[in-house]
Amino acid sequence: KQEVTQIPAALSVPEGENLVLNCSFTDSAIYNLQWFRQDPGKGLTSLLLIQSSQREQTSGRLNASLDKSSGRSTLYIAASQPGDSATYLCAVRMDSSYKLIFGSGTRLLVRP
Amino acid sequence: NAGVTQTPKFQVLKTGQSMTLQCAQDMNHNSMYWYRQDPGMGLRLIYYSASEGTTDKGEVPNGYNVSRLNKREFSLRLESAAPSQTSVYFCASERGGGGSDEQYFGPGTRLTVT
Repeated sequence: KQEVTQIPAALSVPEGENLVLNCSFTDSAIYNLQWFRQDPGKGLTSLLLIQSSQREQTSGRLNASLDKSSGRSTLYIAASQPGDSATYLCAVRMDSSYKLIFGSGTRLLVRP
Repeated sequence: NAGVTQTPKFQVLKTGQSMTLQCAQDMNHNSMYWYRQDPGMGLRLIYYSASEGTTDKGEVPNGYNVSRLNKREFSLRLESAAPSQTSVYFCASERGGGGSDEQYFGPGTRLTVT
């Protein structure tokens, strides 16, 4: 059974710092992996989608990498800002099924 | 282009009452999903609709029914609400079949069952 883990559960950094959020999964036979952002009391916003054949995806200050063999993905945020404060969730999809399996998220606080 | 919309935003029910959560998307997406989010449990799939006219059970379907009314709308019904169904419910949609695309989420419905 696929399990998705995000460590740490919470992270507090000063503004301007570059940071890395981690996502690990137990079954490497994934179809794709998606990173989301969730603000308090809000829905999920899709940040990046990495297909299993890709190694990384970039969007602005965000870069997500995927290493299927080691069961890991990282989300790199450059030059963090207070507006980046949110919970970041990763989710994996197995073999073109419709189900996303979510991690429990990392709650990020960027201090001014 | 509103994306995925959900109504209502908040709801309080008494045990045994019924209600329908509404979801609509204006992106011409084929697939739609209902999730619930609970502290310590993360997001779990309740039901999904791969395409108009089809629905399938997800991880936690008991106590719920769904209707894919047309391509735009996918509703979730609680026939007899229980306190265990207190949760935040999210609807999502996805462009195509095959699971290769991003899922886009609505703002959620916060449901309390007393």
